[in-house]
Amino acid sequence: DAGVIQSPRHEVTEMGQEVTLRCKPISGHDYLFWYRQTMMRGLELLIYFNNNVPIDDSGMPEDRFSAKMPNASFSTLKIQPSEPRDSAVYFCASSPDRVSGNQPQHFGDGTRLSIL
Amino acid sequence: AQSVTQPDIHITVSEGASLELRCNYSYGATPYLFWYVQSPGQGLQLLLKYFSGDTLVQGIKGFEAEFKRSQSSFNLRKPSVHWSDAAEYFCAVGTNAGKSTFGDGTTLTVKP
Repeated sequence: DAGVIQSPRHEVTEMGQEVTLRCKPISGHDYLFWYRQTMMRGLELLIYFNNNVPIDDSGMPEDRFSAKMPNASFSTLKIQPSEPRDSAVYFCASSPDRVSGNQPQHFGDGTRLSIL
Repeated sequence: AQSVTQPDIHITVSEGASLELRCNYSYGATPYLFWYVQSPGQGLQLLLKYFSGDTLVQGIKGFEAEFKRSQSSFNLRKPSVHWSDAAEYFCAVGTNAGKSTFGDGTTLTVKP
């Protein structure tokens, strides 16, 4: 089975540019999560979706960040304009809907973003 | 609100020695608890999970964890560590809202 697929794996761009990160969740999973990981702040939940609907975006740091999930097999995280402090590893994860309780998440390998 | 504390930021053990990584959680209802491992350059991978039932759960790669409700703990153990176990380990508590709260992680170094 294919896991969560993220693209690109690495992105280097100059500040002020628009950055788009992409994620394909595992087929059949109803939850999709976007995280940011840095040395200083650890793993932060940015936003998550259930059945393509955003449930909680309270972790999105600023209006420069936006996320969409147009269908069950694709999501994007966009930063516009980008700033050097946005440099981090961004992870996408998905999980099946709850049969009982909470299900474990399956993580992609991340996008390492560097803003110069 | 739920929270997870991993008291040890960094642990070093010798290869072949036993390992215990600590995790304490705070959650008002029955917790759904997870341990994940992250190797360099990769995403998090599930090691094991606890939902209910037997408080000692077995996971992949020879890991186990014990749920202790009275101590609000879910410590991860392995009887004999291998060099390939060097990684970062995350404890997480899941909620009925579908999301999980992660601890800050413990980095494991294995000495030869």
